[in-house]
Amino acid sequence: GENVEQHPSTLSVQEGDSAVIKCTYSDSASNYFPWYKQELGKRPQLIIDIRSNVGEKKDQRIAVTLNKTAKHFSLHITETQPEDSAVYFCAASQYSTLTFGKGTMLLVSP
Amino acid sequence: AAGVIQSPRHLIKEKRETATLKCYPIPRHDTVYWYQQGPGQDPQFLISFYEKMQSDKGSIPDRFSAQQFSDYHSELNMSSLELGDSALYFCASSSPARTFEETQYFGPGTRLLVL
Repeated sequence: GENVEQHPSTLSVQEGDSAVIKCTYSDSASNYFPWYKQELGKRPQLIIDIRSNVGEKKDQRIAVTLNKTAKHFSLHITETQPEDSAVYFCAASQYSTLTFGKGTMLLVSP
Repeated sequence: AAGVIQSPRHLIKEKRETATLKCYPIPRHDTVYWYQQGPGQDPQFLISFYEKMQSDKGSIPDRFSAQQFSDYHSELNMSSLELGDSALYFCASSSPARTFEETQYFGPGTRLLVL
C-alpha cells in the first residue's frame, strides 16, 4: 500500500517568514495530493491540492509543487501569520482512499 | 453551503459497550469515508462506501462494522469497545464519479471516550 513520509514534524517560524513542508510517497500510481490544515480538536480542512498532471499550483500565500519522478511534493506558505499555526497533513491518493503523512505542527510567532 | 454532518459530536462509553456513529454526507455526494484519529496522530482510514457498497477497507477492527444507506448516510457500529478505541472519528464525503472531483470534505468529527 501507499506510504507517505512528511517532514519536519515541527516547524517554528517568525511572522512574515516562509514555511516549507515536504512529503514523499511510495506508490507511483498515486495521482492526487491534497494538503489539510487541522486546528486542535477540529476537522481537517483542505487548503490546496494538486493532481499528477500539474507540477505547481498556487493560491494566494499557499503553493504546492509536485515532482512525480522523485515522488515528492511540498507545501510552501509565504508571509506566515499567527493564524497559520496548526497541524498540516499531506496525503496521497489514487482516486480514492487518502493516506496521510504524520503531520507537521507549524507555530508562527508574532 | 451544506457540509458533512456527524452525530453525536461527543460520546462516552464504558468498556465492552457498543456505539453507533452517524454520518450525513454533503448533498449529492455518493462516497463516504471513515477515519480514526488518535491524539497527536494522523487520520487512519477505516472503510469507505460508494453507492451503498463497500469500496475500500483499511485498518478497521473486526469489532467494527459500517454501512451506507439508500439516502447515502452512513453508520459506523462499534462493539466490545476498548480503551484504545478512544479517538476522534471523522467521516468525509466526496463524489468523484459525478463531479470528477476527488476532494474529500470532512465532518466535524465524533469524539469517543471509552472509560
